[in-house]
Amino acid sequence: NAGVTQTPKFRILKIGQSMTLQCAQDMNHNYMYWYRQDPGMGLKLIYYSVGAGITDKGEVPNGYNVSRSTTEDFPLRLELAAPSQTSVYFCASRPLRDSGGEEWEFFGPGTRLTVL
Amino acid sequence: AQSVTQLGSHVSVSEGALVLLRCNYSSSVPPYLFWYVQYPNQGLQLLLKYTSAATLVKGINGFEAEFKKSETSFHLTKPSAHMSDAAEYFCAVRGGGGSQGNLIFGKGTKLSVKP
Repeated sequence: NAGVTQTPKFRILKIGQSMTLQCAQDMNHNYMYWYRQDPGMGLKLIYYSVGAGITDKGEVPNGYNVSRSTTEDFPLRLELAAPSQTSVYFCASRPLRDSGGEEWEFFGPGTRLTVL
Repeated sequence: AQSVTQLGSHVSVSEGALVLLRCNYSSSVPPYLFWYVQYPNQGLQLLLKYTSAATLVKGINGFEAEFKKSETSFHLTKPSAHMSDAAEYFCAVRGGGGSQGNLIFGKGTKLSVKP
């Protein structure tokens, strides 16, 4: 298994540009998440999904959108990039509790985004 | 609402010394607690988890944590630090109570290990 994969690894955007951060998992996990990590602030939840076709807002959803058309993929869309969105973005996935007891989040390697 | 507080944003120890990273939680229901480690320029990796079974939880790389309900704590320890332990460590609690809520993270503690 490749686990959770994210692309790109790095990206520099200009203010007002848009982009999609890609996330995929090959573990057949139901839950998927997007977090952002800022220095000294821990991880903040942006959006999450409990299955294909179902998404919900986390703690810091403003300026972002998500979709989940398949179990495997959970892209994060930035429509109008702003400097405040400079951060490291992590995607994660988790199985349902009854999937052998492995009920913790598996994280991808992250995407480092700079908005100038 | 659930929350976690990590005391000390930066901890420095000598190689071979005891590692103690502190985490206190707030929860109105029995919590599900986690420690994750993040090595430089990598994603987070699970170290260990507490899910209401044994109060002393053993994880990977010689780390362990003890759940103390009376102190609302879940401190992470390792008897002897190794240079490879240098990383950032995050304590997290599952929000909403039970096993299905989203993770709520502390702000992290960066561990430095001196030779």
